Amino acid sequence: DVKVTQSSRYLVKRTGEKVFLECVQDMDHENMFWYRQDPGLGLRLIYFSYDVKMKEKGDIPEGYSVSREKKERFSLILESASTNQTSMYLCASSKALGAPYEQYFGPGTRLTVT
Amino acid sequence: AQSVTQLDSQVPVFEEAPVELRCNYSSSVSVYLFWYVQYPNQGLQLLLKYLSGSTLVKGINGFEAEFNKSQTSFHLRKPSVHISDTAEYFCAVSRKAAGNKLTFGGGTRVLVKP
Repeated sequence: DVKVTQSSRYLVKRTGEKVFLECVQDMDHENMFWYRQDPGLGLRLIYFSYDVKMKEKGDIPEGYSVSREKKERFSLILESASTNQTSMYLCASSKALGAPYEQYFGPGTRLTVT
Repeated sequence: AQSVTQLDSQVPVFEEAPVELRCNYSSSVSVYLFWYVQYPNQGLQLLLKYLSGSTLVKGINGFEAEFNKSQTSFHLRKPSVHISDTAEYFCAVSRKAAGNKLTFGGGTRVLVKP
């Protein structure tokens, strides 16, 4: 079974803090994705990575950065957390770009910024 | 750019009744189409996908969807729901030229009542 794990299920941070969300996949997938999920808006792509050290902006990258130093690990960084970044964050992975491969999702991290 | 509209944010339905979840998309190019399900406190998992060929697609747990190119729709159906189908359902599209970067609809929450 493909497994995508996220470092925390729930996280509470203060405004201005630097926040790290970690995601690890065990299927040797080339692609990894970070989404945020908000009621009524579905999932919106923040960043994705198609290889180690490679990244591309998604639809809502402002206020976020990412890091992929190893193939299995993809980190989302909030440089200075703000209350409007309170949300559910979902990580996903898939085989290589260029084909409609299924994305496999982690359980999510619910982040609250106070 | 493409967009996905799920016309119903919530659908209450009685156990053993049929359900249809509506999804319309807009795109100027050919697309792949997906339905994902999110059970409470879990990540998303793939229900079914349309890549090409037959417009009627069968997925897991008795769900099916029909691709209608002229109406740019991809509605999801199940003839008889169970309590365990209570979940949120997401329609998503991927441009054929963009590999598997997904654009999601806002989601439809299905509540199955006994």
